[in-house]
Amino acid sequence: DSGVTQTPKHLITATGQRVTLRCSPRSGDLSVYWYQQSLDQGLQFLIQYYNGEERAKGNILERFSAQQFPDLHSELNLSSLELGDSALYFCASSRRQNPHTDTQYFGPGTRLTVL
Amino acid sequence: GENVEQHPSTLSVQEGDSAVIKCTYSDSASNYFPWYKQELGKGPQLIIDIRSNVGEKKDQRIAVTLNKTAKHFSLHITETQPEDSAVYFCAAYNTGNQFYFGTGTSLTVIP
Repeated sequence: DSGVTQTPKHLITATGQRVTLRCSPRSGDLSVYWYQQSLDQGLQFLIQYYNGEERAKGNILERFSAQQFPDLHSELNLSSLELGDSALYFCASSRRQNPHTDTQYFGPGTRLTVL
Repeated sequence: GENVEQHPSTLSVQEGDSAVIKCTYSDSASNYFPWYKQELGKGPQLIIDIRSNVGEKKDQRIAVTLNKTAKHFSLHITETQPEDSAVYFCAAYNTGNQFYFGTGTSLTVIP
């Protein structure tokens, strides 16, 4: 158990809908990262937050947005869902803002299925 | 942007043998190279990493080597055990604060 929690574990929804994925980082971790893992695209970095502020942006679509709240939990919002958004979404956390000074701990993931 | 290639995509070894997985990257500004192990139904787990100012790093049965000139880095697992069976991902992190991942290697250790 990494200490990172993600809810829900599974999510099934329809095209055009909007969903919110939630992540609680390990106690004391200030950075949260979001990743998407799909058969087509492999593992992709989406976005990083550090202490409530956006720090780095990867291949995140405009239909997707994220935020980190004062209690450090984070939410990833996916809207106007398409079939191709079906994937595993992972959250990871670390203490510091710079990944190469710190270990990222991954959560168990949320499996999103868009029908 | 960065492009990370990983080979092989699948690898089977006998228990006790060594396994080597190779990755190449394209962006010379990449400066941090982690390796992750992902077991079925779980999130990736960092197993070893190397920074661009180091050529080799070892942690028990696992080692990583980096050749900055050739832009490639490799994961070496010695004395493989069945519990090493998993998917392994390499990644490169660059000064643009971006992570780029390889496509993964499915390692099977045959008892």
